[in-house]
Amino acid sequence: QVQLQESGPGLVKPSETLSLTCAVSGYSISSGYYWGWIRQPPGKGLEWIGSIYYTGSAYYNPSLKSRVTISVDTSRNHFSLHLSSVTAADTAVYYCARVTGSYNFDYWGQGTLVTVSS
Amino acid sequence: DIQMTQSPSSLSASVGDRVTITCRASQSISNNLNWYQQKPGKAPKLLIYAASSLQSGVPSRFSGSGSGTDFTLTISSLRPEDFATYYCQQSYSSPYTFGQGTKVQIK
Repeated sequence: QVQLQESGPGLVKPSETLSLTCAVSGYSISSGYYWGWIRQPPGKGLEWIGSIYYTGSAYYNPSLKSRVTISVDTSRNHFSLHLSSVTAADTAVYYCARVTGSYNFDYWGQGTLVTVSS
Repeated sequence: DIQMTQSPSSLSASVGDRVTITCRASQSISNNLNWYQQKPGKAPKLLIYAASSLQSGVPSRFSGSGSGTDFTLTISSLRPEDFATYYCQQSYSSPYTFGQGTKVQIK
């Protein structure tokens, strides 16, 4: 059974960098699939942030591309999100997920709320 | 970016009702359309992929149809556990975008 678990600070100050990690169990990241991040502001809809392959090849939502880096660590079977220069608009529940070959998301973490506030 | 528009934004229905939710894409996306169910405080769950294929483990009362720009999610007979918010998502081109959601509430 594939399981994903997000971890990281729940509070980040404005202008700083938000960093989250997604630990994958029950499946080796090196076996394939893309792995992605999606966020959901409180009471709002879903926004895809970006995705990464185990080789490190990543692609991002152009709306966030200048501030986002996604990396992968196959030895630890996890991948990470870094979002720089955050503002209150980046306050959201952040989900990690597995991306299928059809570019949908079949396994999700439970999500972690990140609040941007001083 | 491809815009996804769902209708209605919310609906009220009773257990046993047939429920239909519509999703429209701003351009043709062939059959690259997926549906998710999200309950409060939980992650979305993939229900339907490629417009009409049922994800493993999803009850057969859920079905999807459509191609091009217009798509439909149907729940044939609403059950208490189906009260949730439903999202469509296009997987035709990056950035992969979602509809704004349809909240299915108890009448």
